[in-house]
Amino acid sequence: DQQVKQNSPSLSVQEGRISILNCDYTNSMFDYFLWYKKYPAEGPTFLISISSIKDKNEDGRFTVFLNKSAKHLSLHIVPSQPGDSAVYFCAASDLSGNTPLVFGKGTRLSVIA
Amino acid sequence: KAGVTQTPRYLIKTRGQQVTLSCSPISGHRSVSWYQQTPGQGLQFLFEYFSETQRNKGNFPGRFSGRQFSNSRSEMNVSTLELGDSALYLCASRKRERETQYFGPGTRLLVL
Repeated sequence: DQQVKQNSPSLSVQEGRISILNCDYTNSMFDYFLWYKKYPAEGPTFLISISSIKDKNEDGRFTVFLNKSAKHLSLHIVPSQPGDSAVYFCAASDLSGNTPLVFGKGTRLSVIA
Repeated sequence: KAGVTQTPRYLIKTRGQQVTLSCSPISGHRSVSWYQQTPGQGLQFLFEYFSETQRNKGNFPGRFSGRQFSNSRSEMNVSTLELGDSALYLCASRKRERETQYFGPGTRLLVL
């Protein structure tokens, strides 16, 4: 049973436009969410996080939105740059930090110049 | 500050053999977690160690084991390797609970 789902395996966006990556979760106990970016031959790099007490968190070109009632979060990248081309993983946990992160399968983003 | 390091980076083994992977966390980090990533799959949690104690364990067979040393370095062992164990094995460290996990570059294991 997949508790964190990224239903789009891939996404192509033109440089300068907005990239929107989506993630759904099923476990109501999750209250802390993270996005990681992964380049080939490298480990995942932490991008941005959000806790359930907020519905939006922004860091530069990256914004994460959380809709708790829909159990849905999204990552917006504006403007998209070719260097953003990577696999993006959504992960969830609880705020206690005692439970392991549960990851989605990832979405491959290609930003076309 | 040096990041998480993993050795070796690449490894080729044959079925039935065993393998040991090593992870050195970021200095000051006491928690080390291990994940398996296979093609088309997300990161599957293997186990987490904190101050030399296993705190959480994922849904993997007993062939997968690990340990953590007093200097927080961790090793993961897989015995009786199977073809399906071919994967990227990632290690992540964090200072304590509620802190972000930082990943190493991974060890790519190929089982022939």
